[in-house]
Amino acid sequence: QVQLVESGGGVVQPGGSLRLSCSASGFTFSSGGMHWVRQAPGMGLEWVAFIRDDGGNKYYADTVKGRFTISRDNSANILYLQMNSLRYEDTAVYHCAKAPHTTYWSFEYWGRGSLVTVSA
Amino acid sequence: IQMTQSPSSLSASVGDRVTITCRASQNINSYLNWHHHRPGEAPRLLIYTSSNLQSGVPSRFSGSGSGTDFTLTISSLQPEDFGTYYCQQSYSLPTFGGGTKLEI
Repeated sequence: QVQLVESGGGVVQPGGSLRLSCSASGFTFSSGGMHWVRQAPGMGLEWVAFIRDDGGNKYYADTVKGRFTISRDNSANILYLQMNSLRYEDTAVYHCAKAPHTTYWSFEYWGRGSLVTVSA
Repeated sequence: IQMTQSPSSLSASVGDRVTITCRASQNINSYLNWHHHRPGEAPRLLIYTSSNLQSGVPSRFSGSGSGTDFTLTISSLQPEDFGTYYCQQSYSLPTFGGGTKLEI
């Protein structure tokens, strides 16, 4: 079955950097788009970034544009999120999610998430 | 595109029929999906393109609507249905409703 497992979260100071990973299994990773979605404490879900199957097209939420970079390694079945210039408001659980084949803009399967805490 | 859900929370009993509504700030045709999230778990896609049941999702869940107004209905509430329900538009870059927290 499809499995998405995030890792790399932790505590980081404002202005610092962190890289999240999402290990994928149970499907052909190289044939589908992938997303990052986050949930801040007590808040709802917020889409963060998307990368196409071949890594050629990337899209970002305005709140992270210029600071976060999404990438993927199709040979290792891993999705990444490089987060730079972190702010207090980036504190959240970060989920990776698989897009369905029919559209880029939905989420067919999700991971449990990895907690990122930005704190001095 | 702004998505507005109501109610923001509700309490219901096992066996009840529950309805959650979602409104888009502009016409999104049928590009509306519903997700369920229990604390500490991975969210789960329930309904895609307004009314299509995702594989493996119980038939007590159903969705309807088009344009700007959408509905998720749970016909007979089960204990495992607690958690938060989110609508999400896939007409353009994804946005979510604020969530409906369902307590059993």
